[in-house]
Amino acid sequence: QVQLVESGGGVVQPGGSLRLSCAASGFTFSSYGMHWVRQAPGKGLEWVAFIRYDGSDGSNKYYADSVKGRFTISRDKSKNTLYLQMNSLRAEDTAVYYCAKDFSGWSNWFDPWGQGTLVTVSS
Amino acid sequence: EIVLTQSPATLSLSPGERATLSCRASQSVSSFLAWYQQKPGQAPRLLIYDASNRATGIPARFSGSGSGTDFTLTISSLEPEDFAVYYCQQRSNWPSLTFGGGTKVEIK
Repeated sequence: QVQLVESGGGVVQPGGSLRLSCAASGFTFSSYGMHWVRQAPGKGLEWVAFIRYDGSDGSNKYYADSVKGRFTISRDKSKNTLYLQMNSLRAEDTAVYYCAKDFSGWSNWFDPWGQGTLVTVSS
Repeated sequence: EIVLTQSPATLSLSPGERATLSCRASQSVSSFLAWYQQKPGQAPRLLIYDASNRATGIPARFSGSGSGTDFTLTISSLEPEDFAVYYCQQRSNWPSLTFGGGTKVEIK
C-alpha cells in the first residue's frame, strides 16, 4: 500500500532554514505529482506547494503566495523522496507539514497523506 | 483567492443520526470540490472528490452533492468512527488551492 513518511521537522529560530523529506513507497513515484500541506497548531489546512511528476525545473513547481520565494519543493526519483527546503522561516510557518500524493497524477486532490512532521519556529 | 465557508462550525449529533455539512464558495468552483475527514492526531483522509465521487474504500453512508458555490456532505447514519473534523477544498482556482475552516462533528 501507499506509504508516505515525513522527517526533518524540529525547532528553528526565526530567519533560519530547515529541509523536510518525505519518503514514498507502494506506488510509482515518478508518475505522480506531490504536494506539501501544512496545519498550524489547532488550526485548519493550508496548501503549500506542488511538484509535477516530471518536476525538475521551475516551470513544474507551484507555491502558495505565503511561501513563494522562501520555500522550494523538489524530488529525487532515484530515492523516491520528496523535499521541502524552507528558508527565511517565520513564526507563522509553525505547523505540522504533511506530504500528500496527488490523487491521480495532477488532480489537485490529496490522497493519501503522510503522518506529518512538526516545524516550530521560535527564538 | 476563493474563500470556502463551512457551516456549522460544530455539529452535535448522536450515533445513527444524519449529518449534513455545508461548504459555500465565494465564487463558482464548478464541481471542483473535495471533502476530507480528520481525526485527532491523524492526517486528513480524502472522502469525496469532484463534489460527488467517493474515494476508494469510503463507505456508502458518505455522499457529496452540489455545484457552483453550494456543496453538501451528508453522512446518512453516523457511526462512532465518524466523529471528526471535516474540511472542504477547492481546486478551481489553480494554482491557488484553498480549504474551508472545518466542521467538527461531535457526539451529543
